[in-house]
Amino acid sequence: EVQLVESGGGLIQPGGSLRLSCAASGFTVRSNYMNWLRQAPGKGLEWVSVIYSTGSTYYADSMKGRFTISRDNSKNTLYLQMNSLRAEDTAVYYCARGSSSYYWYFDLWGRGTLVTVSS
Amino acid sequence: DIQMTQSPSTLSASVGDRVTITCRASQSISSWLAWYQQKPGKAPKVLMYKASSLESGVPSNFSGSGSGTEFTLTISSLQPDDFATYYCQQYLTFPYTFGQGTKLEIK
Repeated sequence: EVQLVESGGGLIQPGGSLRLSCAASGFTVRSNYMNWLRQAPGKGLEWVSVIYSTGSTYYADSMKGRFTISRDNSKNTLYLQMNSLRAEDTAVYYCARGSSSYYWYFDLWGRGTLVTVSS
Repeated sequence: DIQMTQSPSTLSASVGDRVTITCRASQSISSWLAWYQQKPGKAPKVLMYKASSLESGVPSNFSGSGSGTEFTLTISSLQPDDFATYYCQQYLTFPYTFGQGTKLEIK
């Protein structure tokens, strides 16, 4: 079955760090545009970061320097390392696959993992 | 960044109604627009891509149109399963951005 399963969320204090994981099955992470997005409670969707098949990475401005996207091809898993967390980073974090085209949209989503930044 | 604006924010309708949601981009995005449906506590699901192409498995009562800066999502005959929140998203350029959402409620 083609699916994405996130894990690693939880309660973390401001200034802390957390690493999220996204295990893929039914396709290979390294061959696709793999993304993280987030949704604050009761709010809309926000794109966070992408890693290309080439290994190139891109970030939303508010996450640059604090978040790092990576992948482990042997585990077929995507990661998001989040440092210097702030209250405004509280959200459900989704991983999503980009469709296989030059201009790509998000064609497969995981169920999400909740990150709560609070003291 | 490209700003995406949806209207209305909330829409009340009945089963069988035809409804239209509008999405406007702050600059031209050609046809690089997707529509997603999200139900409470669930991940978004793509409905349309390239403004008017129906994603595989999506019912044909959904349709999309538009190009440039103005787009619409139409549901021709509302089914009980269609009551959800809908988002548009541009994928012309980073950062990819979403509209604020349209909540479709049962009247």
